[in-house]
Amino acid sequence: AQTVTQSQPEMSVQEAETVTLSCTYDTSESDYYLFWYKQPPSRQMILVIRQEAYKQQNATENRFSVNFQKAAKSFSLKISDSQLGDAAMYFCAYRGISNFGNEKLTFGTGTRLTIIP
Amino acid sequence: EAQVTQNPRYLITVTGKKLTVTCSQNMNHEYMSWYRQDPGLGLRQIYYSMNVEVTDKGDVPEGYKVSRKEKRNFPLILESPSPNQTSLYFCASSSPTTDSTDTQYFGPGTRLTVL
Repeated sequence: AQTVTQSQPEMSVQEAETVTLSCTYDTSESDYYLFWYKQPPSRQMILVIRQEAYKQQNATENRFSVNFQKAAKSFSLKISDSQLGDAAMYFCAYRGISNFGNEKLTFGTGTRLTIIP
Repeated sequence: EAQVTQNPRYLITVTGKKLTVTCSQNMNHEYMSWYRQDPGLGLRQIYYSMNVEVTDKGDVPEGYKVSRKEKRNFPLILESPSPNQTSLYFCASSSPTTDSTDTQYFGPGTRLTVL
């Protein structure tokens, strides 16, 4: 079974600075998807960024980018120019492609990010 | 507007009193799923459905039932709730056949407390 590990329960960063959230995963599959979701105090799950494992290029979305290291099974999220609105719980998630019909996401335990004004 | 809706958003109930949490999506998605979120555990899949009348267990199905009689609706049923089912519940939907990004859309969540 796949597992996702987020070893940083809490992180904090000064406004306008850069922060990196860590995520590692374990899988025997060669192709899969990885995601970062943001959960603000409203509890809504918001997709931040996704990465297809077959793509070597790291995904970027505005101030958010990932460092995808397939051999190391590592998928970190970098937030540049942190803003107060980035304060949230961040979840790393994995989805394999071999489970036909089940698009289950396997989530990590989350990292709570605090932005210091 | 494309969305997944859940009702109720908040619910406090007592042990043993049957309840249903509804989930509806307006995107004609084939795939729907229920997750529960607990502190320190992240989100875990309860049940999923590939299409109408096709459902299967996820990782934590005990104490729950689901049905998929219509494509847009996927209710979660707790026939005899217990305090260990106190949690935050999310419904999600996606369409691997029509959405090239294969993105899962989440509902707003239902906070359930079982006394």
